[in-house]
Amino acid sequence: GQQLNQSPQSMFIQEGEDVSMNCTSSSIFNTWLWYKQDPGEGPVLLIALYKAGELTSNGRLTAQFGITRKDSFLNISASIPSDVGIYFCAGQLWYGNKLVFGAGTILRVKS
Amino acid sequence: EAGVTQSPTHLIKTRGQQATLRCSPISGHTSVYWYQQALGLGLQFLLWYDEGEERNRGNFPPRFSGRQFPNYSSELNVNALELEDSALYLCASSLEGPEAFFGQGTRLTVV
Repeated sequence: GQQLNQSPQSMFIQEGEDVSMNCTSSSIFNTWLWYKQDPGEGPVLLIALYKAGELTSNGRLTAQFGITRKDSFLNISASIPSDVGIYFCAGQLWYGNKLVFGAGTILRVKS
Repeated sequence: EAGVTQSPTHLIKTRGQQATLRCSPISGHTSVYWYQQALGLGLQFLLWYDEGEERNRGNFPPRFSGRQFPNYSSELNVNALELEDSALYLCASSLEGPEAFFGQGTRLTVV
């Protein structure tokens, strides 16, 4: 099946630092999504990307849809303690197909 | 507007029993997705229902089944429970397109 390789697996950073994580695939995706999951909660949609090259921001979060359509990255600027959680990328191969999720990046922030 | 709601929040079953998990989508959403999230792992796609029909199925045995009702709510049934079925089961809904919104999940424990 389709695989999304998400990296890094985990990050432990100092409050105020910027964070970068990415997802890659051998398949071309039509859509990329980024979710955040807090402990004991369901994932919450952060950003959706629909066009190759698209760069979209949501507050301190910025995500890009790679030109090759095979990758995406998420940046978090000036991290704060509430950024702690698991971040998942998700891709849709073509309209109407299921979402495929990456394994997640665990983010820990040290105050 | 209410989000995706799942019930029960927690469920404890004995190996060999059956479990039924329920999901109510966001009002107006016609698609419902089910995902399994084992401890420390990513989301594995189980089932996708749209307009009452099963549209796609993940790589799970037939004892995982479900349905979608005319009001677009959904049930996930797991028969002949095994210990490794213990996981967080997440339901998500969408109106159209890939932007799926998740519930808080049902924590299933098989003992």
